Amino acid sequence: NAGVTQTPKFQVLKTGQSMTLQCAQDMNHNSMYWYRQDPGMGLRLIYYSASEGTTDKGEVPNGYNVSRLNKREFSLRLESAAPSQTSVYFCASSELRAGPYNEQFFGPGTRLTVL
Amino acid sequence: RKEVEQDPGPFNVPEGATVAFNCTYSNSASQSFFWYRQDCRKEPKLLMSVYSSGNEDGRFTAQLNRASQYISLLIRDSKLSDSATYLCVVKGNFNKFYFGSGTKLNVKP
Repeated sequence: NAGVTQTPKFQVLKTGQSMTLQCAQDMNHNSMYWYRQDPGMGLRLIYYSASEGTTDKGEVPNGYNVSRLNKREFSLRLESAAPSQTSVYFCASSELRAGPYNEQFFGPGTRLTVL
Repeated sequence: RKEVEQDPGPFNVPEGATVAFNCTYSNSASQSFFWYRQDCRKEPKLLMSVYSSGNEDGRFTAQLNRASQYISLLIRDSKLSDSATYLCVVKGNFNKFYFGSGTKLNVKP
C-alpha cells in the first residue's frame, strides 16, 4: 500500500497563478485533510472532509478551495496564488471512528513557493 | 486560547538522558490523544497513541491526566536518533485533529 500520496512534491508559482495540489489515499479512510506548515509553526488546518461528499473550513481557508472527488481523492486549489501561501502543504487521512486507534496518516508534503 | 499547547523547547540533552514533554489541551470532551514525531522537512508520523491508563513502548512512555487536561511523553535513554520535533495531537469533534506547535528535541553526543 502506498498510504497517502501527494503531487507535486515541489512547485514554484508566480503571484496570481493558479494550481491544484492532488492527494490520494488507498487505506479506504473516510476522512481527509489539508494542512499547511510554515517555518517554526505547527500544522494549521486549511480544509477537511469528514466523509465523502462533505467539506468544511478549517483554521485558515481563505485563498483555497477543495474538492472531495471520491473516497480516495481530495484536492486543494489555489485560484490566485500569493506570496503568503508559500508553505509546505500536507494531506492526511484517517478512519472515521472513535478511539485511540484512528490516527492520521500523512502524505510526504508539497513544497510550494510563490514568487 | 489554542486547543493544544506545548513548550516549543528546544530541549538539548546528552545521549542517555531522560527527557519529558508535556502538553495541555482545552477541550475536556476530547477522547483521543497522540504523540507524533516530525523530522526536519518530513511529514509527521505517529509515535504512539495515548491510552487512558497510560502506555509504554520501549523507551517511550505516554501518560494522560484527564482531570488536569494534560498529556506527557517520557523518553528514557535518549539516542541521537531521537532528535526531532514531537507533536502533541488531540482529536476533537467531527474527526478534527488539533496539533500543538511541537517541542524540538536535540540529543547531543
